[in-house]
Amino acid sequence: AQSVSQHNHHVILSEAASLELGCNYSYGGTVNLFWYVQYPGQHLQLLLKYFSGDPLVKGIKGFEAEFIKSKFSFNLRKPSVQWSDTAEYFCAAWFSGNTPLVFGKGTRLSVIA
Amino acid sequence: NAGVMQNPRHLVRRRGQEARLRCSPMKGHSHVYWYRQLPEEGLKFMVYLQKENIIDESGMPKERFSAEFPKEGPSILRIQQVVRGDSAAYFCASSSGSSSYEQYFGPGTRLTVT
Repeated sequence: AQSVSQHNHHVILSEAASLELGCNYSYGGTVNLFWYVQYPGQHLQLLLKYFSGDPLVKGIKGFEAEFIKSKFSFNLRKPSVQWSDTAEYFCAAWFSGNTPLVFGKGTRLSVIA
Repeated sequence: NAGVMQNPRHLVRRRGQEARLRCSPMKGHSHVYWYRQLPEEGLKFMVYLQKENIIDESGMPKERFSAEFPKEGPSILRIQQVVRGDSAAYFCASSSGSSSYEQYFGPGTRLTVT
């Protein structure tokens, strides 16, 4: 079955540390990939998306993600996190032939001063 | 340019009551999706609707849950005879017909069943 896996349940970082959140999907066909962020008490916001082309995707707020087809991965990165990045991060995929997005379970990021 | 709107934002129901959640898609969008987020879980797809049609309800529980998207007005997710396990955040997303993978999410309705 098509699925999305996020390996880290909870990540705690100090301000200015670098961030990498893992995301893997299981599907051999065409896939569109997304990272969403959910700040406490707020709704999901799209951070970035990959449809095709350059596998390194730049998003908002200094985030980027790299699509590595051979590894079925779409990891999220940020060189230097801020306290305001404290949130839940969801990786999602749209698999060709299906309509709904498939979400990972999310990674809670806590950034401490 | 209004985004996806959901109301109410918070809903408290006693066991056995009915819950009605509303979703107004973005202007120009005719496709609506409902997702449920249980504690410590990601979002799970429930149902996909176009105007007056249910396209995919493979994620909907077989009993007590129903959804509609009438020709006029918002999409409604209805939960009859709620139980404690229905407590969750319910998110609605919308898309245009040409790009169903590009879904925009509403703020969600947090349902608490007491």
